Amino acid sequence: EAGVAQSPRYKIIEKRQSVAFWCNPISGHATLYWYQQILGQGPKLLIQFQNNGVVDDSQLPKDRFSAERLKGVDSTLKIQPAKLEDSAVYLCASSFGTSMSGELFFGEGSRLTVL
Amino acid sequence: KQEVTQIPAALSVPEGENLVLNCSFTDSAIYNLQWFRQDPGKGLTSLLLIQSSQREQTSGRLNASLDKSSGRSTLYIAASQPGDSATYLCAVRRSSNTGKLIFGQGTTLQVKP
Repeated sequence: EAGVAQSPRYKIIEKRQSVAFWCNPISGHATLYWYQQILGQGPKLLIQFQNNGVVDDSQLPKDRFSAERLKGVDSTLKIQPAKLEDSAVYLCASSFGTSMSGELFFGEGSRLTVL
Repeated sequence: KQEVTQIPAALSVPEGENLVLNCSFTDSAIYNLQWFRQDPGKGLTSLLLIQSSQREQTSGRLNASLDKSSGRSTLYIAASQPGDSATYLCAVRRSSNTGKLIFGQGTTLQVKP
């Protein structure tokens, strides 16, 4: 079974530039999450989708971050304009079905460096 | 507000030693708790998931326990190997109505040959 796919793996940009990350969850997983992991910290949830609807985006900095999951499968996370403090690993995860209690499976992450 | 703490932040042990990693959480009203492993530059790999009604889960050399009333979980690694070197993270889920995980900051383990 293929895992959660993310791209690009690494991205270096200058502050005020924009960047987009892509995630393809495990086939059949209805729930998709984007987490932000700053160096030395645990991941923090940015946004959660169930199919193509947003369940929780309370910690998403909406003035600069946006995410979509138009067809209920893959998802894109965008940052525009980027700030230095956005340097982090952006992890995508998915879980089976519509149950909120399912085990999460994570991708390898997209590492962003903002200069 | 739920807070998850992992102590120590780093641990170094000789190969073959049994060890315990600790995780504590401030709100005992959790739905489940999950332990993850993270290798440098990699994503998170799920190790064990304990539902709130369970006391422990085992997988190979790993055993995770949960004491909801005291807000604690431990991950026991038996006969540690250099390949166990990684960062171990615990995360709690508040209820069945949310998929949001609250993570600790992790314990970085080094097992020396």
